Amino acid sequence: DAKTTQPPSMDCAEGRAANLPCNHSTISGNEYVYWYRQIHSQGPQYIIHGLKNNETNEMASLIITEDRKSSTLILPHATLRDTAVYYCIVRVLVRTDKLIFGTGTRLQVFP
Amino acid sequence: KAGVTQTPRYLIKTRGQQVTLSCSPISGHRSVSWYQQTPGQGLQFLFEYFSETQRNKGNFPGRFSGRQFSNSRSEMNVSTLELGDSALYLCASSLGDREADTQYFGPGTRLTVL
Repeated sequence: DAKTTQPPSMDCAEGRAANLPCNHSTISGNEYVYWYRQIHSQGPQYIIHGLKNNETNEMASLIITEDRKSSTLILPHATLRDTAVYYCIVRVLVRTDKLIFGTGTRLQVFP
Repeated sequence: KAGVTQTPRYLIKTRGQQVTLSCSPISGHRSVSWYQQTPGQGLQFLFEYFSETQRNKGNFPGRFSGRQFSNSRSEMNVSTLELGDSALYLCASSLGDREADTQYFGPGTRLTVL
């Protein structure tokens, strides 16, 4: 699975958009980009995933560059409850589940 | 639909003992994966079971084992516990048989080895 690089920490003001970047320059054509977050000591929570098109759901938007070497997770209106560690994961989906987590980005949302 | 459940939520054991953790997947999910999370190593994949068969395995010693039952519930066992086995153990379930499958995690079992 491709390796990802994320900034270790970011701050965001409540109500503003949080833009979390992820580099995955060695991604292959059949690898998806997944985002999870983990609020302190809870199980990781699935946010969103995509292959090459931008995706949006009720939680967030995922913007993947045209060359697929990087992506950005956007939380449009961050709240204090969005404070968490955010993990960007790329993986091949060949009917076997194995997520390789990096160190993630610790997002702190402040009032 | 009920989420992934794990029991027990907290466990304290002593070195040398063994422990069994349980995971009940989301209804209809046939794949269960196990992960270990420690402050030093982060989240690491242990193994995955699909239709009662181990389909994938991480780099953990043989003291870590698992199984899956016909109802997709899974257990993992750690024998001869070591202090370094203290961790948050997470299980995740998914359908397991299609592309763009998504894993959903349980709340975890916090194991402390004294």
